[in-house]
This record gives sequence, structure tokens and C-alpha cells, in this order.
Amino acid sequence: IVLTQSPGTLSLYPGERATLSCRASQSVSSSYLAWYQQKPGQAPRLLVYGASRRATGIPDRFSGSGSGTDFTLTISRLEPEDFAVYSCQQFGNSLMFSFGQGTKLEIK
Amino acid sequence: EVQLLESGGGLEQPGNHLRLSCAASGFTFSSNAMSWVRQAPGKGLEWVSSINPNGGDTYYADSVKGRFTISRDNSDNTLYLRMDSLRAEDTAVYYCAKLGAWWLRPKYYYYVDVWGNGTTVTVSS
Repeated sequence: IVLTQSPGTLSLYPGERATLSCRASQSVSSSYLAWYQQKPGQAPRLLVYGASRRATGIPDRFSGSGSGTDFTLTISRLEPEDFAVYSCQQFGNSLMFSFGQGTKLEIK
Repeated sequence: EVQLLESGGGLEQPGNHLRLSCAASGFTFSSNAMSWVRQAPGKGLEWVSSINPNGGDTYYADSVKGRFTISRDNSDNTLYLRMDSLRAEDTAVYYCAKLGAWWLRPKYYYYVDVWGNGTTVTVSS
């Protein structure tokens, strides 16, 4: 399954709402879909798993949604620390998984 | 505190081999599936390999199948990645990753809940 994220780059102001898309090449169980945030020089950090379940310690301005082939990560009100690269991930029926190519969220 | 500490990266010539290690602490290592994920310079994340808790089941990306071998030592809380026949395209930061799981009847679903800081592998002549 290939995950395609859009847009490649999203330029927004702090305080605005961000909507990031992840589209799968075939239907994916929402239980298999996760989102990660990565800042330059750092390892990724889990934000959302099971498409909509926030990981421990993740602020509630982050929310995930979607089903089938279309999934969305929404950041309701951007904080300066939210500008980073976001990647979606899907697991298969075993311990194999794949990532989307990432969306860079940059300050406008 | 849960920690994953990778080591073993470096500069190696094409065709040679390297072995990466990941020392785990702060959790019950033998109860968790583990993975290696890599990131080439300026590129996105790429899953490389996974192993189940007892080491009996292993999985590989097509790009490394037949060249890389994942293994684990549960007595020493260490994950390994043996990398043979290295290619220039294997150049990347390699992350050790702990797989978390959540239960939704009738099965478990996985995600990466802890990442190491990564170790850099450069393949070049």
C-alpha cells in the first residue's frame, strides 16, 4: 500500500488551522493508521495512532480522522513549536509498515 | 525512562558490511516487537525490518531483503541489524524503534511509540 501525503509543503501563520492529508492506494483499516511529527535533527514523535487516538502527552489541538483511503491530521491552532514535518504510517497485517513521503509545515 | 540507544554506524565501502546495535532500557524488552527505520539525507522515513518479541518472526523491506538480517538478544535487551553487501543507497540515519500495541477485538494493532536518536550509516568509496 502506497501512502501519498498532500500538500508537500504547507505555509501557514501561527494561530491558523492546519489540515494535512494522507491518501492510501487501497483501503486501509483506520486501526492501522498513525501520524508522526519530526523536527530537524530529531527522531520522529508519535502523535496519533488508530487514525484518531492521541498518543500520551499530545496536546488536544492535534486530531486525526478518516477512514478507507483518506485520512487527515488537523492542528486546530498552530503554535510555533508545531512547524515540522508530518508523516503518516500504515501497518499491514504483520509487522510490516510503510510511511507517506511527509508534509513540511512551515511558518509563513 | 524508556530509552533506545543505537550504535555501530559509520563510513563503509560498497559491498562491505556493518552491524548496528540498539540497547534498550526502561521497559520489558522481551515483550515488545521492534523495528529498524531509516531516513536517507533529505528524504522521508523508510521501514527497513521488524522482529517479533521472541525473535521467531522477522520481516524485511524488499530493498534490503537478502542483504540485511534483524535479530535480538532478550537476555541482553539488545536489537541488532546486520547489513551485508552495502550499497550507496543504504546511506541513511538508522533508527531503532519500539512497537507499541493496542487491542481492538479481535487483534492487536501496532505503531512506533519510542524512537532512538539514530545512528548514521554512510556507504561510499
